[in-house]
Amino acid sequence: DAGVIQSPRHEVTEMGQEVTLRCKPISGHDYLFWYRQTMMRGLELLIYFNNNVPIDDSGMPEDRFSAKMPNASFSTLKIQPSEPRDSAVYFCASTLEGRAYGYTFGSGTRLTVV
Amino acid sequence: DAKTTQPPSMDCAEGRAANLPCNHSTISGNEYVYWYRQIHSQGPQYIIHGLKNNETNEMASLIITEDRKSSTLILPHATLRDTAVYYCIVTRAGGTSYGKLTFGQGTILTVHP
Repeated sequence: DAGVIQSPRHEVTEMGQEVTLRCKPISGHDYLFWYRQTMMRGLELLIYFNNNVPIDDSGMPEDRFSAKMPNASFSTLKIQPSEPRDSAVYFCASTLEGRAYGYTFGSGTRLTVV
Repeated sequence: DAKTTQPPSMDCAEGRAANLPCNHSTISGNEYVYWYRQIHSQGPQYIIHGLKNNETNEMASLIITEDRKSSTLILPHATLRDTAVYYCIVTRAGGTSYGKLTFGQGTILTVHP
């Protein structure tokens, strides 16, 4: 089990550019979560999916953010256009309903928008 | 989900037990207590969870009071690698709120040599 895989690990982009973050959940997991972490706001849930369907996107900060899960093994979080205040570490996590041991988080993508 | 209160920081000597408290006085009957930790620059890591009985696994023990309004995470023999931010989270484990973990500020545990 390779765990939750996120790419890229680091991303530096200029303000106004489109950024796409990628996540591969653990095979067989039916829930996928996107979190954002900053010093000021801590860990915030942005959106989560169940069986590839978005369940709650109330944490998505604004229309510049969008997330998709086209199949059970892949999800993307897109920011267009990016702004300096989007700089943060973005984590993806997955789990299986009924699983005894919680979420498994990826290593995160550190995004810097200059 | 119920709100939790944790001390902002704690210290522990290496080899000693680390006891991390958490208050969750508004917890509902169908809400679980989860503990995660986050070592610097890494993603949060699941430690343990429980409903009302005490739980133990290879990482830690979880003690939940009889009224379920507070709990304690115990790391029996803390090592330097246990230095991390520890999060106590209360959440339902079913329905549309399943797995919707809301992280607070947590407790920064520093283990000293």
